[in-house]
Amino acid sequence: DGGITQSPKYLFRKEGQNVTLSCEQNLNHDAMYWYRQDPGQGLRLIYYSQIVNDFQKGDIAEGYSVSREKKESFPLTVTSAQKNPTAFYLCATTVRQGASLSYEQYFGPGTRLTVT
Amino acid sequence: AQTVTQSQPEMSVQEAETVTLSCTYDTSENNYYLFWYKQPPSRQMILVIRQEAYKQQNATENRFSVNFQKAAKSFSLKISDSQLGDTAMYFCAFMSNYGQNFVFGPGTRLSVLP
Repeated sequence: DGGITQSPKYLFRKEGQNVTLSCEQNLNHDAMYWYRQDPGQGLRLIYYSQIVNDFQKGDIAEGYSVSREKKESFPLTVTSAQKNPTAFYLCATTVRQGASLSYEQYFGPGTRLTVT
Repeated sequence: AQTVTQSQPEMSVQEAETVTLSCTYDTSENNYYLFWYKQPPSRQMILVIRQEAYKQQNATENRFSVNFQKAAKSFSLKISDSQLGDTAMYFCAFMSNYGQNFVFGPGTRLSVLP
């Protein structure tokens, strides 16, 4: 059963703690993305990775870090430096076709992070 | 940098009626892709329809169709025979030809009324 898994669905942390959100995919897709969604707003890009061991900052990378050691996995760490970490986080993938990436993003179910 | 604008924060439509959601974008690229995504209360993002900029023909998927005006940089979504299950947030999105930029609009909240 192919897809994108994000766990857990709900995550609670105390302020000042780092927390890592999991994103795993078995679609064999090359590129992976992390987005943040705040209430009533669209998606904002945090980081993306087009190939293993390489990633680029998106529009709101400050206070976040990522790694891409395996094609299947792209974990996101929300550090204590992120001033407003409470949000809904979505992971997505796309597949490379030749020199261009496929023209569709596939999304995971998301993780709701609450920091108090 | 590319931007995507959705000027209608909220809309409502009666069941079985037709509704059109607006989207405009700004880019200097000639080849790109445009999408409409639906996000129901479950928050799962679901692809509704996509359009390749090099294709002049407007994309259609069952009750969903687009009006793509490349020169005007406009990409509206028409939902025909609206159903209660169409109630959701709808996001317009732009992707550059090589995938470096995937930009979402702020969304339109659509309510289908019985």
